[in-house]
Amino acid sequence: RKEVEQDPGPFNVPEGATVAFNCTYSNSASQSFFWYRQDCRKEPKLLMSVYSSGNEDGRFTAQLNRASQYISLLIRDSKLSDSATYLCVVLTGGGNKLTFGTGTQLKVEL
Amino acid sequence: GAGVSQTPSNKVTEKGKYVELRCDPISGHTALYWYRQSLGQGPEFLIYFQGTGAADDSGLPNDRFFAVRPEGSVSTLKIQRTERGDSAMYLCASSTTGGPDTQYFGPGTRLTVL
Repeated sequence: RKEVEQDPGPFNVPEGATVAFNCTYSNSASQSFFWYRQDCRKEPKLLMSVYSSGNEDGRFTAQLNRASQYISLLIRDSKLSDSATYLCVVLTGGGNKLTFGTGTQLKVEL
Repeated sequence: GAGVSQTPSNKVTEKGKYVELRCDPISGHTALYWYRQSLGQGPEFLIYFQGTGAADDSGLPNDRFFAVRPEGSVSTLKIQRTERGDSAMYLCASSTTGGPDTQYFGPGTRLTVL
């Protein structure tokens, strides 16, 4: 079983739609959680950290459920520019190693 | 300010050859990481440096892979006797002091072994 599991997609949605991505992780000792965005042939970039209380950044909302070892990302009012791969990421290895999911591909269409 | 830089951006080599990939972290960042990303997969951890020392090299796949950071800044990932399966994007990241600090990634080196 992979340490971080995501549905690879692709998710094809119309502009303006709301889309949700889910992720599960297996290591209960994981300490910090993130969503990274990766554009085609580019490096991953931090989108947002994820906290148990839930956190929001504009159109993006992230949620963590430690009991279920489950992380989510909600994107409201999707834009064409949101098209990318979204990577669920967990900090493990004594707090220094990022473990990535395979990524979920999002395509926002007109 | 300048971000993480990596050179070369692309490297094509033949099976059995030796390659070196270079990473220049963000100035002042003491933590440096190497990851490898294969097509359709997320990045996989290779090695973590804190200053000049390799604090965690548990992700290096075998003894053909080695990395150094002699002065605590620039790092070089070295791959001996390359194999076709080594073909991937090699990503370097740095962070201020390690731990939960945000890791900033460089643009990567795409390695192709023919």
